[in-house]
Amino acid sequence: KQEVTQIPAALSVPEGENLVLNCSFTDSAIYNLQWFRQDPGKGLTSLLLIQSSQREQTSGRLNASLDKSSGRSTLYIAASQPGDSATYLCAVPPAGGTSYGKLTFGQGTILTVHP
Amino acid sequence: SAVISQKPSRDICQRGTSLTIQCQVDSQVTMMFWYRQQPGQSLTLIATANQGSEATYESGFVIDKFPISRPNLTFSTLTVSNMSPEDSSIYLCSVVAGSVYGYTFGSGTRLTVV
Repeated sequence: KQEVTQIPAALSVPEGENLVLNCSFTDSAIYNLQWFRQDPGKGLTSLLLIQSSQREQTSGRLNASLDKSSGRSTLYIAASQPGDSATYLCAVPPAGGTSYGKLTFGQGTILTVHP
Repeated sequence: SAVISQKPSRDICQRGTSLTIQCQVDSQVTMMFWYRQQPGQSLTLIATANQGSEATYESGFVIDKFPISRPNLTFSTLTVSNMSPEDSSIYLCSVVAGSVYGYTFGSGTRLTVV
């Protein structure tokens, strides 16, 4: 059974800092890994999707890396801003080479960026 | 990637009543998923809805409590029946429009049962 763990559970940083969020998964036979952002009481917004054949993906100030063999992914946020404050979730589809089906989520990292 | 319109965005309901949540997708998708997020928790899959067949429910969720309809490839509803305060959660629908795009989620329905 796939298990996804995110560290740290919460993070509070001053504006402008670069930061790293960590995600680990127990079964490395994943098709891809997706990072989401969730604002309080809202739905999920997709940030980055990394295919199993890729090592990293970038979008603006965000960079996500994937190391399948070690079961780890990191989300790097450069020059953090108060608007980045949210919960960040990583998720993987079922192991075994499919991109469809039940996503397994980590518990999330609650990020607070203060001015 | 697909765009999902989810309604209502929030509601406060009396215990014992039912609420129906709607999700409309801007493209045809085979599989739609319904999740529940209890306060302070991560997401839990309720069921997978395929057009033209019965929804498949996860352990701990039953059709009588969470009936789902999937009349076509762009629309689905989830009903939360005979509500109790323990049903107070965020409910989200999701689709995967292709492996290149990953999963897309609706904006969520924040339900409070009093």
